[in-house]
Amino acid sequence: QQQVKQSPQSLIVQKGGISIINCAYENTAFDYFPWYQQFPGKGPALLIAIRPDVSEKKEGRFTISFNKSAKQFSLHIMDSQPGDSATYFCAASMGAGNQFYFGTGTSLTVIP
Amino acid sequence: GAVVSQHPSWVICKSGTSVKIECRSLDFQATTMFWYRQFPKQSLMLMATSNEGSKATYEQGVEKDKFLINHASLTLSTLTVTSAHPEDSSFYICSAIQLAGPYEQYFGPGTRLTVT
Repeated sequence: QQQVKQSPQSLIVQKGGISIINCAYENTAFDYFPWYQQFPGKGPALLIAIRPDVSEKKEGRFTISFNKSAKQFSLHIMDSQPGDSATYFCAASMGAGNQFYFGTGTSLTVIP
Repeated sequence: GAVVSQHPSWVICKSGTSVKIECRSLDFQATTMFWYRQFPKQSLMLMATSNEGSKATYEQGVEKDKFLINHASLTLSTLTVTSAHPEDSSFYICSAIQLAGPYEQYFGPGTRLTVT
């Protein structure tokens, strides 16, 4: 059973456009929602994360939007660049030190 | 800060041999480390949770006798793939959580294992 559902599976965006990746969860006990970026042959790197007490968090060109009532959160990449081409994973966890439940990943391609 | 290293970054071994992969937290102490397996174009699959000084907790379907995990110190966890077979070929990634730290998991760069 997939605890965190992620869409789309793949995404192609023009340079300068906005990339949007969505995730949904069912377990209301989740209290931490990170996004990871992974390049081929590398480990995932933390991009940005949010707790459920806020609806939005922005760091540079990356923004997480969080809708607690809908149990959904999304990653927005503004002014997408070819260097952003990677696989993005959302995740959720409950409590510090506990395992993460990962989404299935989104392969983003930004074309010049 | 919060750097996790893995060694080796890639390894090729013959079927039937054992391979050890090391995961180190370089600038912090980690009470908990996780081991993941990732197939091409797929998500991370949690194999086991490793706590310093205690036995690892394996996910359902993961053979504990095949994938031996040792978390001997607050900065080192090892995964040994015993009697490796071609189907064990995969990308293995570890992550670590800081002692008394926040929620973040810091991932290592991964180890590519190829069994011939």
